[in-house]
Amino acid sequence: KAGVTQTPRYLIKTRGQQVTLSCSPISGHRSVSWYQQTPGQGLQFLFEYFSETQRNKGNFPGRFSGRQFSNSRSEMNVSTLELGDSALYLCASSRADTDTQYFGPGTRLTVL
Amino acid sequence: AQKVTQAQTEISVVEKEDVTLDCVYETRDTTYYLFWYKQPPSGELVFLIRRNSFDEQNEISGRYSWNFQKSTSSFNFTITASQVVDSAVYFCALSEASGNTGKLIFGQGTTLQVKP
Repeated sequence: KAGVTQTPRYLIKTRGQQVTLSCSPISGHRSVSWYQQTPGQGLQFLFEYFSETQRNKGNFPGRFSGRQFSNSRSEMNVSTLELGDSALYLCASSRADTDTQYFGPGTRLTVL
Repeated sequence: AQKVTQAQTEISVVEKEDVTLDCVYETRDTTYYLFWYKQPPSGELVFLIRRNSFDEQNEISGRYSWNFQKSTSSFNFTITASQVVDSAVYFCALSEASGNTGKLIFGQGTTLQVKP
């Protein structure tokens, strides 16, 4: 079974721009969660989607948004990028909300 | 409040030594799940083990073993006869059954360096 895939793997953007990251979950997994990893704050939960509905959201500003499609693929969008948004963004999928989450390789975003 | 604490920031051992990574958690839920993940330099988080709050049976899997103690809210992880390939950052994580769907709460991670 193919694992979680994330595209692109690397991104360089400038302040004020927006960015869209994509995540394809493991086949059959309907829950997709997103995390931000930075050296200072560690791994922090962004949001979780299940059957195209956002069910949970972490403590991030409204510039961070996401969506999930009918095939369970998910995208997250960050608008008006700030330097502090530079991070590794990890996507994870699971069959259900309390099931084990399996992670993708991440997208490393650099904001200049 | 939910919290995971990994007090060890970095551990350095010589190959073949045993090493234990500590994890202490806080939660008000009676049903919760605990995980260990490994993050090698490539960046991908690799799932190692999951335990639910009703299963305190400790387990050994090859060179890995886990010690879950509800009385002390600890979920420690031991690597026996460490190898250079074990070098990575190890994360302990907590998931609660109620109210926090799809959310893992991570500790700050422990960087393990295994020297040849």
